[in-house]
Parts: sequence; C-alpha cells; structure tokens
Amino acid sequence: AQTVTQSQPEMSVQEAETVTLSCTYDTSESDYYLFWYKQPPSRQMILVIRQEAYKQQNATENRFSVNFQKAAKSFSLKISDSQLGDAAMYFCAYKNSGSRLTFGEGTQLTVNP
Amino acid sequence: DTGVSQDPRHKITKRGQNVTFRCDPISEHNRLYWYRQTLGQGPEFLTYFQNEAQLEKSRLLSDRFSAERPKGSFSTLEIQRTEQGDSAMYLCASSPRRGVDTQYFGPGTRLTVL
Repeated sequence: AQTVTQSQPEMSVQEAETVTLSCTYDTSESDYYLFWYKQPPSRQMILVIRQEAYKQQNATENRFSVNFQKAAKSFSLKISDSQLGDAAMYFCAYKNSGSRLTFGEGTQLTVNP
Repeated sequence: DTGVSQDPRHKITKRGQNVTFRCDPISEHNRLYWYRQTLGQGPEFLTYFQNEAQLEKSRLLSDRFSAERPKGSFSTLEIQRTEQGDSAMYLCASSPRRGVDTQYFGPGTRLTVL
C-alpha cells in the first residue's frame, strides 16, 4: 500500500520569507501523481499544486513550487514571499492510476508578521 | 462553476441515531469521492463513484455506512446507528476524469455524535 509521510507537524515562517515543507512517499508504481493541498481554518481543502511523476520538470504556480525527486520519493513544497494568508494546514497527497488520494498527516504552517 | 457543495455543514446527533449527508459535485464532473477526516489527521478515503456506479469502497466503510449516487448527480452518505467514533469531518470531492483527474473538495460536513 502507498504511504505518504510529512515529518514536520508544525512549521513557521516570517512574512515575505521562504519556507519549505517536506513530504516523502512510498510506492512501487512508476506512473502516479502528487499533490499539495491547503486547508485553512475554514476547513475547505484547496489544491495548491500538482505534479505528474512522468514529468521531470518541477511544477510551479506563482509563489509555490515543488522539488520532485522521483528516485528519492521526495516531494517538497516551497512557498516564496510568504503571506499571512498562506497560514494553513498543508497536506501532501499521492494518487496512482486508481481513484483514491492517500494523504500525509499534514504540516501546520504559521506565518508571523 | 459553483464548486462542490455539501449539506449540512454541521450535524449534532445522539448515539444510535441515523444521519444522512448530501454532496453536490461540480456539474461536469462524473467522479465523486467521500473521505473522512478526524481532528489533526489527513483525510481518509471512504468510497468512490463514477457516474452512478460505486466502484470502490474502503474497509473503513463499515456495514453501518451506505452511499448512493442516483442518476450520477448528487450523492448521499448515510450512517446508521451512529457511534461516538463516527465524529469527524466528512469531505466530498469530485473530479472530471480527464488529464490528471484532480479532485476538488467541498467544505465538508462536521458530525458530532454525543
């Protein structure tokens, strides 16, 4: 079974600084997808960024980028120029060709003004 | 595009009662998913529909849980004889079954069983 591990239960960053959230996963498959979701205190899960495993180029969405290391099964999220609105729980998730998403335990990000 | 909606947003019930939640997916999405999230944890998969067919169920979905998606549009999740351990956030998501097949989540229904 696939597993997703987020080893940082909590992280904090100063406003305008950069922070990196870690995620590792375990799979025997070669074709899969990885996601970062954000869940603010209102609890609605919002997609931040996604990466197809067959793509070597790291995905980027504005201030959010990933460092995808397929051999190491690592998928970290970098948030640049952190803003107060970035404060949330961040979940890393894995999906193969099937239906379900497998989530990590989450990292609570605090942004300090 | 109005997003995934769920009703009710909050439900408080007494142990042993039955409860039913509703999810309306994004209109053009033919895949619908239910997840359960307990406090401080990531969501856990419960079940998945493609159109009206329920194609996958997790072992978490005990006999007291049943989900339907009549006509392949909205879905309902019913919990019979609720237990205190059923207290959680129940999340619904939908996806378009194309490309990366990204799942988009609704706001969730928070269930509290007293």
